[in-house]
Amino acid sequence: EVVLTQSPATLSLSPGERATLSCRASQSVDYYLAWYQQKPGQAPRLLIYDASNRAPGIPARFSGSGSETDFTLTISSLEPEDFAVYYCQQRTDWLYTFGQGTNVEIK
Amino acid sequence: QLVESGGGVVQPGGSLRLSCVVSGFDFTNYAMHWVRQAPGKGPEWVAIISKDGRSKHYADSVKGRFTISRDNSKNTVTLQTNSLRVEDTAMYFCAKDQGTTYFQTWGQGTLVAVSS
Repeated sequence: EVVLTQSPATLSLSPGERATLSCRASQSVDYYLAWYQQKPGQAPRLLIYDASNRAPGIPARFSGSGSETDFTLTISSLEPEDFAVYYCQQRTDWLYTFGQGTNVEIK
Repeated sequence: QLVESGGGVVQPGGSLRLSCVVSGFDFTNYAMHWVRQAPGKGPEWVAIISKDGRSKHYADSVKGRFTISRDNSKNTVTLQTNSLRVEDTAMYFCAKDQGTTYFQTWGQGTLVAVSS
């Protein structure tokens, strides 16, 4: 099973600042990695797939990069609605795993 | 739109049948998933069923206890959960597949609580 490790666990930032979230895979997943945003009481929402492709309707301030084992989600300038928990996710064979999440909180 | 139902409180060893009714897209063209999330934890994938229902895969944690199925005439995907354990307590979401790799759209979930 591929283990995804996200860092940091918590990111304390102010609106307008840049957020950089990391996801590291225990073995190569090529570029088959996604990022999700989850707000309290809501289901996760797909932001990025295939490491760098934005899902429909996702603002351009969200961008993804990386391949193999190291991936990054960048939010170029935080809006108030961006404060949430972010998860990375991959599929290898028929096993799907998520990272433990990064909580982006208001400083 | 994906709308789940069927959750509730059940004793260990009990069963629940979760349903997800889909609208707004061609259900027959997509594989479907169940994903769960325990309180305060990250999501955990549970199962996937192919477009035609012939192929199914499960997480090791539920294999042999849970069964995924679908009825394409009713736009419904179902998760039969048997031999429930305390650790199965979670919000259960159905999700529309993207490329058999990602979870494109999610429902709002149905809560399963296993407690004596």
